[in-house]
Amino acid sequence: ETGVTQTPRHLVMGMTNKKSLKCEQHLGHNAMYWYKQSAKKPLELMFVYNFKEQTENNSVPSRFSPECPNSSHLFLHLHTLQPEDSALYLCASSQDRVTDTQYFGPGTRLTVL
Amino acid sequence: GESVGLHLPTLSVQEGDNSIINCAYSNSASDYFIWYKQESGKGPQFIIDIRSNMDKRQGQRVTVLLNKTVKHLSLQIAATQPGDSAVYFCAETGNNDMRFGAGTRLTVKP
Repeated sequence: ETGVTQTPRHLVMGMTNKKSLKCEQHLGHNAMYWYKQSAKKPLELMFVYNFKEQTENNSVPSRFSPECPNSSHLFLHLHTLQPEDSALYLCASSQDRVTDTQYFGPGTRLTVL
Repeated sequence: GESVGLHLPTLSVQEGDNSIINCAYSNSASDYFIWYKQESGKGPQFIIDIRSNMDKRQGQRVTVLLNKTVKHLSLQIAATQPGDSAVYFCAETGNNDMRFGAGTRLTVKP
């Protein structure tokens, strides 16, 4: 266990559904991240939160909407997704900065039909 | 070996042999490097790290080597076990961001 949990572990949704992914870290970290992992590709950074404030949005489509209510919790709200959004979505946290060692959750395997 | 951002090579070794996984990076300003292990169905797991002021760092059965001259990083796993089967990828940090390689798939044959 890395101290970062994610729910649900698997999610299947239609293109018109609205769903949310949840991440929680128990490491006392101040920075949290959402990544997209597609087959045979490097991790794609989506969003960065530092002390609950969004510090980076890597040109992610608006159908992905993050929320960080406190330093321990991070959500990714999904709506009107496309089949190409199917991937493993990983949450990570680090002490303070993006260049600190990041610890990952187990991911949510998302399938968009 | 892998280059940050490119293909997913594979490495197959016999149980008990040593494994060497390579990573080439492009940013000469990178100053911190990490190796992660990702087993099927799981998130990436931190294995070992190294800072740019070091050439070598050892952990339990793993060693990371850094050659800044040719911008090359390697992970050596001693006495590879079936439980070592996974995708291994490197990460480099510098210029206030972290970049990940696509990974190398290690398969250990019993």
